[in-house]
This record gives sequence, structure tokens and C-alpha cells, in this order.
Amino acid sequence: AQRVTQPEKLLSVFKGAPVELKCNYSYSGSPELFWYVQYSRQRLQLLLRHISRESIKGFTADLNKGETSFHLKKPFAQEEDSAMYYCALKQGAQKLVFGQGTRLTINP
Amino acid sequence: ETGVTQSPTHLIKTRGQQVTLRCSSQSGHNTVSWYQQALGQGPQFIFQYYREEENGRGNFPPRFSGLQFPNYSSELNVNALELDDSALYLCASSSPKKGTGDEKLFFGSGTQLSVL
Repeated sequence: AQRVTQPEKLLSVFKGAPVELKCNYSYSGSPELFWYVQYSRQRLQLLLRHISRESIKGFTADLNKGETSFHLKKPFAQEEDSAMYYCALKQGAQKLVFGQGTRLTINP
Repeated sequence: ETGVTQSPTHLIKTRGQQVTLRCSSQSGHNTVSWYQQALGQGPQFIFQYYREEENGRGNFPPRFSGLQFPNYSSELNVNALELDDSALYLCASSSPKKGTGDEKLFFGSGTQLSVL
């Protein structure tokens, strides 16, 4: 079964330190993966998707098919990065399978 | 451009009752998806509607049903409510372009349902 695992429920780092939010997936096929973010008192929104190979707000994520991972990284964390982050896998044409989320806290 | 709006924001029901949640999609979007988010979990796909037809369904029983209207707004109906139905219900609209894999979802703020 298709599954997305985010092993860390909580992650706390200091401002200016590197950040890595882990995401592993299981999928028999060519995966399409996304990172969604929810800032405090805001709605869930797309951060980035692997097909775009883009950097958004300094974040990047590389699909590693060998390790079935799609970790989200940022070299220097900022306080405004504090949020809930969800990794998601597209299944079929209709749905996204979400991980349980990681709450990232950036300490000043 | 109007974003996705959901109503009501909060709702309290008792076990066995029925509930209807509403969603207005973002302007220009013809596809609406519904997700259930239990406390401490990620959103879980319920179903999707495209041009007024159900276009995919997750692992939810038939007492979860939906509708999409000609203006692309949508309703989620849940019959015979159970305690475990207590969750945040999220609506998301999109206008996916075929062949691009463009599945960017625009989420509403959700309806918090409590079943007592």
C-alpha cells in the first residue's frame, strides 16, 4: 500500500542552523511528491513539488528513489519557518496521501 | 480571486445524527476534494468531485457522501455519526491540467466537527 512516513513529529532547531525534515514513501511506480506547509492560523498550502525542482523560501527537496525519500532541507533556518510541514504522495489521478506531519520550531 | 471557503467553521453533533458541510471552490476551479484530518494526523482523502461526478474515493464507508453543484461548490454529508468522525474536515479545490501532474490543491480553513 502507498504510504508516507514522517518519522519526526516534532523538530526544533536554532535560527541560522540547517534544517532537514524527513519523508519516506512506499509506492510501486513513478512517484510524484509534494511538501505542504501550514503556518500558525493559516490554511494548508503547497510549499513545493518535486517535478518543479524549485527552491521556495530557501527550501529544497530532492527525490531519492533508491532510498525512497523526499527530505525537505534548508541551509539556514529562519524564525518564520516555524510551522507544520506535511509530505504528500500523489496516488492515481485523484488523491494525495499525506504523512502525519512534522512540527518545526525555530528557536531564536 | 476568491479562495476556498468552508462553512460552518465549527459544529457539534451527537452520535447517530447527520451533518452537511459546505465548500465553495476557488474561482475557476472545477475539482473539489474532501479530506478528514484527525487530531495529530495528516489529512486523509475522502473523495473528489469533478464536474458534478465522484471522481475517486478513499477508504471511507458509504455513509460519507457528497455532491458537487454546477457552480462547482460542494457538500460533504455524513450520516449516522460516530464518535470517531470527530475531526477537521478540509475541502480543497484544484483545476488540474491533464498530463502535467499539476495537482496543486488550494485548501479551505476547514470545519471542526465534534461528535458527542
